[in-house]
Amino acid sequence: GQNIDQPTEMTATEGAIVQINCTYQTSGFNGLFWYQQHAGEAPTFLSYNVLDGLEEKGRFSSFLSRSKGYSYLLLKELQMKDSASYLCAVSGGDYKLSFGAGTTVTVRA
Amino acid sequence: IAGITQAPTSQILAAGRRMTLRCTQDMRHNAMYWYRQDLGLGLRLIHYSNTAGTTGKGEVPDGYSVSRANTDDFPLTLASAVPSQTSVYFCASSTGTGGDEQFFGPGTRLTVL
Repeated sequence: GQNIDQPTEMTATEGAIVQINCTYQTSGFNGLFWYQQHAGEAPTFLSYNVLDGLEEKGRFSSFLSRSKGYSYLLLKELQMKDSASYLCAVSGGDYKLSFGAGTTVTVRA
Repeated sequence: IAGITQAPTSQILAAGRRMTLRCTQDMRHNAMYWYRQDLGLGLRLIHYSNTAGTTGKGEVPDGYSVSRANTDDFPLTLASAVPSQTSVYFCASSTGTGGDEQFFGPGTRLTVL
């Protein structure tokens, strides 16, 4: 089975930086995904890491360390519209996604 | 349509009734998935299909069935609904190759009384 842990909630100020950590234990590994989900809406894809290191995409960056079973999503220059849940998901040996419970980020003015 | 659609948007259902949630995608994706999302538990995989004509069980398949008669449609059936099946149900699709992102439908909010 899969075990994926991420913080339940985080709060940050507009313009600041927030880092959402995700740790995982899986049987097999074929990559780690981050999704964004606004309240009442569907999850949307943010990033994918399969090799160790940092992937940067505009204000969002995602990091992976396979040996440590660890990833983080970095959100820079926070905007009010970034208030959402952020879901960490691991693709296991069967290529199926297992999701963490999600981290709700609240951006305050 | 463009993308993935689900119907109905929401439904209130009496326990014991049969219900089919519909999912259609027009991206010609091989793989399709059904998840349920419950507060504090995240998304959990119910059933999946790697390609038309094949289906498989996910993490929480009991009480649900699926079929995949063609590439576009992947209905989820609750044969006899129970209150514990109250949830938000998301359908998703992907190309089916390793490392591909999944695209999610807008979800169906189901309440079983």
